[in-house]
Amino acid sequence: LAKTTQPISMDSYEGQEVNITCSHNNIATNDYITWYQQFPSQGPRFIIQGYKTKVTNEVASLFIPADRKSSTLSLPRVSLSDTAVYYCLVGDRVDNNDMRFGAGTRLTVKP
Amino acid sequence: DADVTQTPRNRITKTGKRIMLECSQTKGHDRMYWYRQDPGLGLQLIYYSFDVKDINKGEISDGYSVSRQAQAKFSLSLESAIPNQTALYFCATSDFKGSNTGELFFGEGSRLTVL
Repeated sequence: LAKTTQPISMDSYEGQEVNITCSHNNIATNDYITWYQQFPSQGPRFIIQGYKTKVTNEVASLFIPADRKSSTLSLPRVSLSDTAVYYCLVGDRVDNNDMRFGAGTRLTVKP
Repeated sequence: DADVTQTPRNRITKTGKRIMLECSQTKGHDRMYWYRQDPGLGLQLIYYSFDVKDINKGEISDGYSVSRQAQAKFSLSLESAIPNQTALYFCATSDFKGSNTGELFFGEGSRLTVL
């Protein structure tokens, strides 16, 4: 199981771009990198997934360097509603039973 | 209506009681999961099932059991509840065939308090 390391918390202000980095030094060849968002007392929600280079969707971008030992979730122009916990998971997306939710990064967006 | 429904949403019980948390889904997914979340912590996998005949232990299965009654139903039981099982429990589903991301879809959670 690839272990991930993320900052425990981050603060930002409305309108800023937020980058959350995740380290996963022992990522395996078949592993994908997936990010989830969780609001208090709700289940996590899928944000984005990638294998290498850059992936972008309507919510976020995911940057993965060539060695794949880290990844960065980028949230453009955050708002107060982006205040949540963000989880980085690494694992085989076919058998995602081996994907583990760590403590995540608690992002607080301030006005 | 929610695609993944958990019942009950809140439950207070006493030590030693048997508790069942139920999960049903309308997404038609084969895979179902039970997670536990303690305050301020991430989610820990308790059990998972890839189809009706397949049940697997996760990270923290001790003290829990599950039953996959049908493709759409996956229940979690605490045979003899203890206070340190007080937590927020989430059911989730996924279907790699339908989505090339293996995305997990979560229910709204069941908050269990064991006194």
